[in-house]
Amino acid sequence: DSGVTQTPKHLITATGQRVTLRCSPRSGDLSVYWYQQSLDQGLQFLIQYYNGEERAKGNILERFSAQQFPDLHSELNLSSLELGDSALYFCASSLRRDGYTFGSGTRLTVV
Amino acid sequence: QQQVKQSPQSLIVQKGGIPIINCAYENTAFDYFPWYQQFPGKGPALLIAIRPDVSEKKEGRFTISFNKSAKQFSLHIMDSQPGDSATYFCAANGGGADGLTFGKGTHLIIQP
Repeated sequence: DSGVTQTPKHLITATGQRVTLRCSPRSGDLSVYWYQQSLDQGLQFLIQYYNGEERAKGNILERFSAQQFPDLHSELNLSSLELGDSALYFCASSLRRDGYTFGSGTRLTVV
Repeated sequence: QQQVKQSPQSLIVQKGGIPIINCAYENTAFDYFPWYQQFPGKGPALLIAIRPDVSEKKEGRFTISFNKSAKQFSLHIMDSQPGDSATYFCAANGGGADGLTFGKGTHLIIQP
């Protein structure tokens, strides 16, 4: 157990729908990062939150958004889902930028 | 634009051999270079990392070699075992960016 908890583990939904992925960071970590892993694009950095504030954005689509709550857990919201959004979504947490720990991921399938 | 290029895509090595995975980066602001190991159904796990002030780092059977002038770094796995079969990713960050830029991964198989 890495200490980073992601729920749900699997999610199947239809095109056009909206889903929310949840991440609880490792105890003491202030940063939460979201990554998308697909076969053709590999691991892509989406967004980072630090202590409740957005810190950096990567290749995140406008249909996607995230937030970090006062208890430091984070949610990634994916809307108007398309078939191409099917992927593994990972959350990672860290106290410093060189101490990432990844969760086990949420496998999203859009049908 | 892919900022970290990783090769090979896949690699098959006999048990006891030394698989070598190479990465090249473009962004000279990068100053932290980790390697991650990922098993099927699991998230990436940090294996070993290096900063550009050293040319080599060893942890157990894993060694990173770093060439700052060539902007390249590589992972060597000594005395490889079937349990090392996994996908390996190189990554980098720096220059004020905390998000990691990953290579595309190397699927490594160690044959018994």
